[in-house]
Amino acid sequence: DIQMTQSPSSLSASVGDRVTITCRASQGIDNYLAWYQQKPGKAPKLLIYAASTLQSGVPSRFSGSGSGTDFTLTISSLQPEDVATYYCQKYTSVSYIFGQGTKLEIK
Amino acid sequence: QVQLLESGPGLVKPSETLALTCTVSGGSISDNSHYWAWIRQPPGKGLEWIGNVFHSGKTFYNTSLKSRVSIAVDMSRNQFSLKIMSVTATDTAVYYCARQPSSFWFDPWGQGTPVTVSS
Repeated sequence: DIQMTQSPSSLSASVGDRVTITCRASQGIDNYLAWYQQKPGKAPKLLIYAASTLQSGVPSRFSGSGSGTDFTLTISSLQPEDVATYYCQKYTSVSYIFGQGTKLEIK
Repeated sequence: QVQLLESGPGLVKPSETLALTCTVSGGSISDNSHYWAWIRQPPGKGLEWIGNVFHSGKTFYNTSLKSRVSIAVDMSRNQFSLKIMSVTATDTAVYYCARQPSSFWFDPWGQGTPVTVSS
């Protein structure tokens, strides 16, 4: 089975900082990757699909890039409401695997 | 706007069967563009896909759970359901249902329902 590895596992940054989270697949998955944001006590929310397509209603400070095995989620200017855990998820071959998550906090 | 809502017992005894229902509103479960999925999250841990179902009844399951899991659709009630047999403490989790466009990503999600396996 393909494994998804996120880094870092946790991250602390200041308001206004540019933040980057990485997700690596153990095998190539083209662009079959989604990113989710999960705030404490809430269900995950879809941010990005097809590696770089922003879901409707998601602020434009979020962006995604990558293809094959290496992907990134970038927040261009961190806001207090972005405190959450972020997950990547691959969707190939009827197998849906999530990364272990990256917990983002404000300094 | 499609909304999903999970329901079912919050406490299940070890070796018994966990049974949950997801009710879909604002859209039809017979939509040809979407699958319907269950995902779970143990306390303090990450997300695990359990399985999904199409309105035809076609199902796909996580191989690690396949021998104990059953997912079914009830089009008359616009619902789909999850059953996990022979549960243990490791099945304690928040269980989410979600819609899956063309069996790809998950959106939207239900609010989640916590299930504890304990005697």
